[in-house]
Amino acid sequence: GAVVSQHPSWVICKSGTSVKIECRSLDFQATTMFWYRQFPKQSLMLMATSNEGSKATYEQGVEKDKFLINHASLTLSTLTVTSAHPEDSSFYICSASIPNKNIQYFGAGTRLSVL
Amino acid sequence: AQSVTQLGSHVSVSEGALVLLRCNYSSSVPPYLFWYVQYPNQGLQLLLKYTTGATLVKGINGFEAEFKKSETSFHLTKRSAHMSDAAEYFCAVSGAGNNRKLIWGLGTSLAVNP
Repeated sequence: GAVVSQHPSWVICKSGTSVKIECRSLDFQATTMFWYRQFPKQSLMLMATSNEGSKATYEQGVEKDKFLINHASLTLSTLTVTSAHPEDSSFYICSASIPNKNIQYFGAGTRLSVL
Repeated sequence: AQSVTQLGSHVSVSEGALVLLRCNYSSSVPPYLFWYVQYPNQGLQLLLKYTTGATLVKGINGFEAEFKKSETSFHLTKRSAHMSDAAEYFCAVSGAGNNRKLIWGLGTSLAVNP
């Protein structure tokens, strides 16, 4: 149980285009999802906390207009990187938290390469 | 405020040897503590967690960790390393309660030598 699916696993895009990453909880309803960014050989950096039906809470320094987060249902959250630039290239990971539990289950991550 | 320190960014052991990955935390509230493992180009998998109760926590793949409040530590151990244990290990802390965000350590890369 507690499976989180993240899609796509790898995406290459041209500079200036937008990319959408999906995060789905497959066998549970997730009222809260988290989006992380991870640079090579580094730890996870929390970008935002997404609660179903409400606006995401962004961490300090994360541009909310550039990284659009939508959590429209209890099983799906999306992260859209708008007008992507090479510096946005990174590994993006989502996680979902089971209601009333303090455990995060992670997706497999999305590697974004912006040319 | 909370923070996590993982001592040793790289640890190398021989196959069959003891694995010890160190994690110290600071927290102004009773902590929840976690160890996650990450294999290359993958997401993170929960190894084990401490919330309340027994301070020695057993997880998957033969790993265990002991919460020592007096030492503010939550070190991860495994009696006998296997080649498949080679991965990145992250320690994390959160406050008690639901859906709290995790504060992460910088990770420890474990290499297992034949």
